[in-house]
Amino acid sequence: GAGVSQSPRYKVAKRGQDVALRCDPISGHVSLFWYQQALGQGPEFLTYFQNEAQLDKSGLPSDRFFAERPEGSVSTLKIQRTQQEDSAVYLCASPGPPGELFFGEGSRLTVL
Amino acid sequence: AQSVSQHNHHVILSEAASLELGCNYSYGGTVNLFWYVQYPGQHLQLLLKYFSGDPLVKGIKGFEAEFIKSKFSFNLRKPSVQWSDTAEYFCAVNAPDSWGKLQFGAGTQVVVTP
Repeated sequence: GAGVSQSPRYKVAKRGQDVALRCDPISGHVSLFWYQQALGQGPEFLTYFQNEAQLDKSGLPSDRFFAERPEGSVSTLKIQRTQQEDSAVYLCASPGPPGELFFGEGSRLTVL
Repeated sequence: AQSVSQHNHHVILSEAASLELGCNYSYGGTVNLFWYVQYPGQHLQLLLKYFSGDPLVKGIKGFEAEFIKSKFSFNLRKPSVQWSDTAEYFCAVNAPDSWGKLQFGAGTQVVVTP
């Protein structure tokens, strides 16, 4: 596609539920990044893929967070047993010209 | 550890006023520097970037930023703002060998009144 596409745009979950957030990166892009943006904060790095390989997952806040990209294109960020502190906008990004990231519009997760 | 500090969380100004947003970073090495902008209802997009060379960089929509190495600063400026500049502005840094792994500041919400 022309840009980074994320779904769902909005997700409301009850505490303890599992959620899955999808990212369709720019077509043919090898690298893919996930960020978390809490209310009133800047985005924070979660994890990075090159093709299907997850090369850096140092930003994942707990073992309840899991990301995959099995075929090197679409990626899914899964959060198990959601907690209220997981409420945030989850951003996916594809690289553009050197140093630039193209961000999707994000998936806003609200945990009640 | 890297950190990025943006001086103001909210700025309100009138059209035609000048804008300067402060950004200071903490990092023990060479960095790349960025300003990203998020207009209401839109995704984050790059405003300008600095890698090396002339410390005064120009970006889109009349914005510029100056890298002052001795002050660890990368302040954003625009001489005369328009209502359409209402947005949230984020300063970001990364190490050259991990360019996609950005450290963002908390952001500054700018509101330009007609």
